Amino acid sequence: EDKVVQSPLSLVVHEGDTVTLNCSYEVTNFRSLLWYKQEKKAPTFLFMLTSSGIEKKSGRLSSILDKKELSSILNITATQTGDSAIYLCAVVKAAGNKLTFGGGTRVLVKP
Amino acid sequence: DAGVIQSPRHEVTEMGQEVTLRCKPISGHNSLFWYRQTMMRGLELLIYFNNNVPIDDSGMPEDRFSAKMPNASFSTLKIQPSEPRDSAVYFCASSIVGGGDKAFFGQGTRLTVV
Repeated sequence: EDKVVQSPLSLVVHEGDTVTLNCSYEVTNFRSLLWYKQEKKAPTFLFMLTSSGIEKKSGRLSSILDKKELSSILNITATQTGDSAIYLCAVVKAAGNKLTFGGGTRVLVKP
Repeated sequence: DAGVIQSPRHEVTEMGQEVTLRCKPISGHNSLFWYRQTMMRGLELLIYFNNNVPIDDSGMPEDRFSAKMPNASFSTLKIQPSEPRDSAVYFCASSIVGGGDKAFFGQGTRLTVV
């Protein structure tokens, strides 16, 4: 059975801190890993990763995939209160196009 | 682009009633997903369609749940009869088959069964 596990479950930081979120997966025929941010409503897309070792960056957020370790990290530097959200990781297999999500990491950034 | 449109946004119904959730995918997208989100189980895939054809419905909880996609711009998820344990947020998402795996989500329908 396919598995996507995120850690930690939740964390509380202060503005300006750096946050590192983890996503590990066990799937056959891996194709891509995606990160989403969910505030109060719909998950919104952040990154898609397909190749190991290539960092994707958007402002203060960055992510990298390690196919050997079957994992990915999402970093947020200089956190702001607007970064408070649930961060979701999803994996897509080569056959088909469905996204299998992990349980998410809830991040709370305090002023 | 209006994005994925779901209706209703909120639904409160009594146990035993039929509930129908609706979704309009992004124009030009040919893959549509129905997800359910709860605190306990997170975001679970119920069913997805490619080119209006159901591809994987292994996540549909039981026979009380059914989904249809009669055309490229409309899908429904029906629960009959509804039960309190069906209370959750139901999301619809769409993407382009072979166009990258990025899926776009609707705003969700919050269903409460009392």
